[in-house]
Amino acid sequence: GAGVSQSPRYKVAKRGQDVALRCDPISGHVSLFWYQQALGQGPEFLTYFQNEAQLDKSGLPSDRFFAERPEGSVSTLKIQRTQQEDSAVYLCASSSRWAGGYTFGSGTRLTVV
Amino acid sequence: QQPVQSPQAVILREGEDAVINCSSSKALYSVHWYRQKHGEAPVFLMILLKGGEQKGHDKISASFNEKKQQSSLYLTASQLSYSGTYFCGTGINTGTASKLTFGTGTRLQVTL
Repeated sequence: GAGVSQSPRYKVAKRGQDVALRCDPISGHVSLFWYQQALGQGPEFLTYFQNEAQLDKSGLPSDRFFAERPEGSVSTLKIQRTQQEDSAVYLCASSSRWAGGYTFGSGTRLTVV
Repeated sequence: QQPVQSPQAVILREGEDAVINCSSSKALYSVHWYRQKHGEAPVFLMILLKGGEQKGHDKISASFNEKKQQSSLYLTASQLSYSGTYFCGTGINTGTASKLTFGTGTRLQVTL
């Protein structure tokens, strides 16, 4: 597609519920990143894929967070047993191997109540 | 550790210039600059790689001093559309598609 597409745009989850956030990157972009952005803060790194390989997951805050990109295109970020502190905007970005700059999606705003 | 940006916020009249600074405590390979408007995704402005280069993009340019681990973004003859929060993102890996650590952000407001 023309841009990075994320869904849903907004998600309200009850504490303890599992959620799945989807990212559809720009076609042909090898690299895919997940970032978490709290209100008024810069994005914080969660995890990075090159094609289907998850090369870095050092930013995932706990083992409740899991990400996958099984065919090297669409990626899903799953959060199990959501907690209030998980409330944030989750941004997905993709980049071609050579271009360098990220193209971000519009994000999913997760609110845990 | 998160790069520190200065100033935290700045208000300009249309046509005025501004400089936003980004300082890191780590050795850097690359610096990215992004602008984010309220409720929207960050938009890529430019990338600077190790080598002390300066880049220009319309009336927005940037420099990168890897020895000082600093980058500066220069906005000249500001326009209303420049309003938003600017973030630097620093990379320490050698690949072009490397994870970034984003700075604290600088809120810029341009008024008439």
